[in-house]
Amino acid sequence: AQKVTQAQTEISVVEKEDVTLDCVYETRDTTYYLFWYKQPPSGELVFLIRRNSFDEQNEISGRYSWNFQKSTSSFNFTITASQVVDSAVYFCAPSLDNTDKLIFGTGTRLQVFP
Amino acid sequence: DAGVIQSPRHEVTEMGQEVTLRCKPISGHDYLFWYRQTMMRGLELLIYFNNNVPIDDSGMPEDRFSAKMPNASFSTLKIQPSEPRDSAVYFCASSLGAQAFFGQGTRLTVV
Repeated sequence: AQKVTQAQTEISVVEKEDVTLDCVYETRDTTYYLFWYKQPPSGELVFLIRRNSFDEQNEISGRYSWNFQKSTSSFNFTITASQVVDSAVYFCAPSLDNTDKLIFGTGTRLQVFP
Repeated sequence: DAGVIQSPRHEVTEMGQEVTLRCKPISGHDYLFWYRQTMMRGLELLIYFNNNVPIDDSGMPEDRFSAKMPNASFSTLKIQPSEPRDSAVYFCASSLGAQAFFGQGTRLTVV
């Protein structure tokens, strides 16, 4: 079955700490996209990143970075020097069946304390 | 573009009533998705359309749920009759080229 596992249900850190959110997925597709979304307390789902399964280069965007390892089917997300505003639920989602359909993991709730 | 627009933002209704949720996707996007979010089940895909055609409705919980997309700029999700267990946040999303953007969601409460 195609599925996503975000094993960390909740993580708490103190501001300025680095934190890594794990994502492991299963898919039958040979090509696919991987996504991360952020859901802050206000409830909206905010797009963070899309990666193509062909591209295993790590990506950095400001304090955010992503590590994609196709061999282990993992797509981990690191926040460097976390801030209180990073507090949110973060979802990992692969696209499936060669469509734009996304299947979401259960999410990781990140709490950053001042 | 204003993004994906959903209405209403909040809906409170009595059990047995019909509820209609509305979505305006981003112009030019060719996919439209309806998701439901609950504490127990997380984010579930209910149904999705490609070029206004329903492709997969296997996530629709039961016959009380129906969705339509009469044109490229509008979709509805209808629940008739509604039940308390339908209480959730319903998200609409649209995408083009495998990049999906979500609306603000409709928080439905069925009492």
